[in-house]
Amino acid sequence: DAGVTQSPTHLIKTRGQHVTLRCSPISGHKSVSWYQQVLGQGPQFIFQYYEKEERGRGNFPDRFSARQFPNYSSELNVNALLLGDSALYLCASSFGQGGAEAFFGQGTRLTVV
Amino acid sequence: TQLLEQSPQFLSIQEGENLTVYCNSSSVFSSLQWYRQEPGEGPVLLVTVVTGGEVKKLKRLTFQFGDARKDSSLHITAAQPGDTGLYLCAGGVGSGNTGKLIFGQGTTLQVKP
Repeated sequence: DAGVTQSPTHLIKTRGQHVTLRCSPISGHKSVSWYQQVLGQGPQFIFQYYEKEERGRGNFPDRFSARQFPNYSSELNVNALLLGDSALYLCASSFGQGGAEAFFGQGTRLTVV
Repeated sequence: TQLLEQSPQFLSIQEGENLTVYCNSSSVFSSLQWYRQEPGEGPVLLVTVVTGGEVKKLKRLTFQFGDARKDSSLHITAAQPGDTGLYLCAGGVGSGNTGKLIFGQGTTLQVKP
């Protein structure tokens, strides 16, 4: 079975630009969560989606948005990129129960210059 | 605010030595998960513990969840160079179909041959 897949794997953007990151969860998993991991730190929760609805939001500005599609894949959008948005963006897939174990993709390394 | 503190942050040992990594919080979690992450990759789930006092073994790795479900430990016996990586603990928060993980800052382990 395929695991969680994310695209692209690496991305370089300029300050002020917009970026869209994509995630396909494990087959049968209905929940997708997004995390930001800055170098040297643990991942920080950004969003959780379940059955196409936002179920949780972390302490991130409104420049960050996401959505989930009927096939449970998801997109994370970041507008007006800042240098500080440079990080590894991780997508996690879980069956759906609260706080359930999550399986992560390989991440998208975003560099903002 | 729920926080997880990991200690130590860095650990460099010789092959064959034993080590313990600690994950502590003042908050109760519904579950506690341990992940191992290699540079540029997503975290890989090692184990999930959900019951206070629970002990799980995975080959040379032993995981324990505190009785009060506020802390956990990871013990590695006879460490090998292949154990090198970033070890992350994550506490599950939420119920029903809403949930997120709170991560510790990680423990970087280097095992020298």
